[in-house]
Amino acid sequence: KAGVTQTPRYLIKTRGQQVTLSCSPISGHRSVSWYQQTPGQGLQFLFEYFSETQRNKGNFPGRFSGRQFSNSRSEMNVSTLELGDSALYLCASSLGRGESSPLHFGNGTRLTVT
Amino acid sequence: AQKITQTQPGMFVQEKEAVTLDCTYDTSDQSYGLFWYKQPSSGEMIFLIYQGSYDEQNATEGRYSLNFQKARKSANLVISASQLGDSAMYFCAMREESLNTDKLIFGTGTRLQVFP
Repeated sequence: KAGVTQTPRYLIKTRGQQVTLSCSPISGHRSVSWYQQTPGQGLQFLFEYFSETQRNKGNFPGRFSGRQFSNSRSEMNVSTLELGDSALYLCASSLGRGESSPLHFGNGTRLTVT
Repeated sequence: AQKITQTQPGMFVQEKEAVTLDCTYDTSDQSYGLFWYKQPSSGEMIFLIYQGSYDEQNATEGRYSLNFQKARKSANLVISASQLGDSAMYFCAMREESLNTDKLIFGTGTRLQVFP
């Protein structure tokens, strides 16, 4: 069974540009969530989607957005990039319900903003 | 609000020895789930082990076991017979789940280094 796939693995962008990251969940998983990891702030929740609906969003500005498609694949978009957006962005998928259902993560996309 | 605390920024252990990574949590929920993840330098977060708040026995998965002390609100990860490949960051996390949310709250992590 294939794991969570994130593309691309690495991105270099300049300030003011926008970027789109992609995530393909494990087959059968309907919940997809995104996390930002930085040395200063650690792992922070961005948002979570279930059956194409955003159920929750973390404390991030409106420049961060996402969506989920009918096949559960998800994208996140960051507009007007800032230097502080440089981070590892991790996508996770799960069956969606049940505390014991673990979140399975992808390899992440490492974004560098110059 | 839920909170996870990992007080050990770094730990060293010799190969083949056991090591315990500490995790304490704070929650007002009666039912909750605790997870441990491993993050190698490649960046991927690898699920290791899960403990439910109502599980009476400590969880075990191969060389990983979870020392769960509910009254103390601690969920320490024990790695037995450490291997060089165990060198990585380890994160303790709690699942926050409701009708409107499903997310993990992470601790700050512990960097484990295994030496020969």
